[in-house]
Amino acid sequence: GQQLNQSPQSMFIQEGEDVSMNCTSSSIFNTWLWYKQDPGEGPVLLIALYKAGELTSNGRLTAQFGITRKDSFLNISASIPSDVGIYFCAGLGTSYGKLTFGQGTILTVHP
Amino acid sequence: DVKVTQSSRYLVKRTGEKVFLECVQDMDHENMFWYRQDPGLGLRLIYFSYDVKMKEKGDIPEGYSVSREKKERFSLILESASTNQTSMYLCASSFEQGTTDTQYFGPGTRLTVL
Repeated sequence: GQQLNQSPQSMFIQEGEDVSMNCTSSSIFNTWLWYKQDPGEGPVLLIALYKAGELTSNGRLTAQFGITRKDSFLNISASIPSDVGIYFCAGLGTSYGKLTFGQGTILTVHP
Repeated sequence: DVKVTQSSRYLVKRTGEKVFLECVQDMDHENMFWYRQDPGLGLRLIYFSYDVKMKEKGDIPEGYSVSREKKERFSLILESASTNQTSMYLCASSFEQGTTDTQYFGPGTRLTVL
């Protein structure tokens, strides 16, 4: 089946630094989604990407849908302590409605 | 705004008990999903539903069943709870069947089976 490789698995950064994480797949996806999960809560949608090559921003967050449709990245600029959490990528391919999730990136921001 | 609610945030049950986890969405979404989340394993799909009274197995359906009697409600049932079903359970919904629909998640239910 389809699999997503998300990296890095974890990041420890200082407040104010920029962050970059990415997901790659051996299969093509038609939609890429990025979620953030706070401890003890459900994932919250950050950015949705629907077209190859699309670059979308949401405040300090920027995400891109890779031109090959097999990868996506998420950047966070000028990190702040509330950015702490687990970030998941998810892809929607040919299995209608079913998402494939990455393993998650655990982000820790030191003040 | 999309709202997905789950009946309990925390639940403690004993081995062998029948457990019901309820999920309700208020956006008239056709699709609903149940996942479990475990450290190191990510999110794994248990069951999903594209319509009322319709259900399909996900990747790990063993030990679970589901019920969708109304469009807005999707229930996950553990017929006889076991300790290996201790986990975080997440419900999600999405608007339409297609390749651009986005899933919205509830806050999760942390189930402990003793």
